[in-house]
Amino acid sequence: QKEVEQDPGPLSVPEGAIVSLNCTYSNSAFQYFMWYRQYSRKGPELLMYTYSSGNKEDGRFTAQVDKSSKYISLFIRDSQPSDSATYLCAMLTNTGGFKTIFGAGTRLFVKA
Amino acid sequence: DAGVTQSPTHLIKTRGQQVTLRCSPKSGHDTVSWYQQALGQGPQFIFQYYEEEERQRGNFPDRFSGHQFPNYSSELNVNALLLGDSALYLCASSLAGTGTSPLHFGNGTRLTVT
Repeated sequence: QKEVEQDPGPLSVPEGAIVSLNCTYSNSAFQYFMWYRQYSRKGPELLMYTYSSGNKEDGRFTAQVDKSSKYISLFIRDSQPSDSATYLCAMLTNTGGFKTIFGAGTRLFVKA
Repeated sequence: DAGVTQSPTHLIKTRGQQVTLRCSPKSGHDTVSWYQQALGQGPQFIFQYYEEEERQRGNFPDRFSGHQFPNYSSELNVNALLLGDSALYLCASSLAGTGTSPLHFGNGTRLTVT
């Protein structure tokens, strides 16, 4: 079993839709949770970074963490074609030193 | 403020050859991590360098080695290349500090092994 599970998609939605992206994890040692966006032929770009359970909002993006269920989500409101990218969840653990573990990424397509 | 820069952007090598990839961290960052990203997969952790030493290592063979220089820049070396080493190699920098600084990535080096 992988430490971080993420549905690779692809996920296709119409412009303006609310997008929900999810990851589950198995390691209780994960302390910090991140979402990265990766456009084709580019490196991952940090979108959200959170520690505690609950919601964190930044513009059209909301990150949600439920540590009791080992489940994290990213919501995108009013999705735009420019949001079309791969979204990677990532988790920071301090087991044997600080290390960031990534999910497989979900490919998102937003149709105009 | 310069972000993470990597060179070269693309590279084609033959099986059995050796390759060196280079990375300059984001200004103010002192820790460099290297990741391998196969097509359609998430980045896989190779190793991390801090204070010119390998601090952590992922599940990669000894053919993968690295170095960090006093100016915090870093190199990734891969010996005896295999076809399966074809991937996007990503460099990420962060601040050592408390260890909880998020990673900032470069745009990667696309390595093709033929």
